Amino acid sequence: NAGVTQTPKFRILKIGQSMTLQCTQDMNHNYMYWYRQDPGMGLKLIYYSVGAGITDKGEVPNGYNVSRSTTEDFPLRLELAAPSQTSVYFCASRPGQGGYYGYTFGSGTRLTVV
Amino acid sequence: AQTVTQSQPEMSVQEAETVTLSCTYDTSENNYYLFWYKQPPSRQMILVIRQEAYKQQNATENRFSVNFQKAAKSFSLKISDSQLGDTAMYFCAFMKRGGGNEKLTFGTGTRLTIIP
Repeated sequence: NAGVTQTPKFRILKIGQSMTLQCTQDMNHNYMYWYRQDPGMGLKLIYYSVGAGITDKGEVPNGYNVSRSTTEDFPLRLELAAPSQTSVYFCASRPGQGGYYGYTFGSGTRLTVV
Repeated sequence: AQTVTQSQPEMSVQEAETVTLSCTYDTSENNYYLFWYKQPPSRQMILVIRQEAYKQQNATENRFSVNFQKAAKSFSLKISDSQLGDTAMYFCAFMKRGGGNEKLTFGTGTRLTIIP
């Protein structure tokens, strides 16, 4: 049981480049989330999904896009990368029913935009 | 909207001592959950303890316990007999119960260092 898997673990992008951060979970969780963690700060919600085909914006969605075509996968797309997007990105999931035991987190992707 | 405040950016304590991390939150909700997460240098987010707001009894997990004061909107974490492996960032988090789109709101964290 792998839990939540994020790839890549590290990435350096140049300003204006695009990339997709991959997230997949094998727990059949309905709810999935993308957070960013800036240095010395807590986690801020970018986007979330309550099930396949359903996504919604979180607190800091600008500059990002998501899709949820399957229950397992929830990729995060960065278009036209900017230095302000330098951060650590976490994907997380939880069950739909009774999922009040917090999230299962991936190990994060450290992204640097130069 | 809910906010979570952790007023201690950094703390340090000698090994085997007890340390308390503070957390306050602001919400108009009555039914919710509170969490403490640990983030060691490996970056992995690990659930330490969870409290249900409708339960008056404070949650405990081995050496970790909370002091939940609902009226004061306070949720502190006590670590007893601290160990070197407790060195980490600790995040307090809030989740509203119900509505179908429950999300965790995090505080800014407290960096805890256990000194040998």
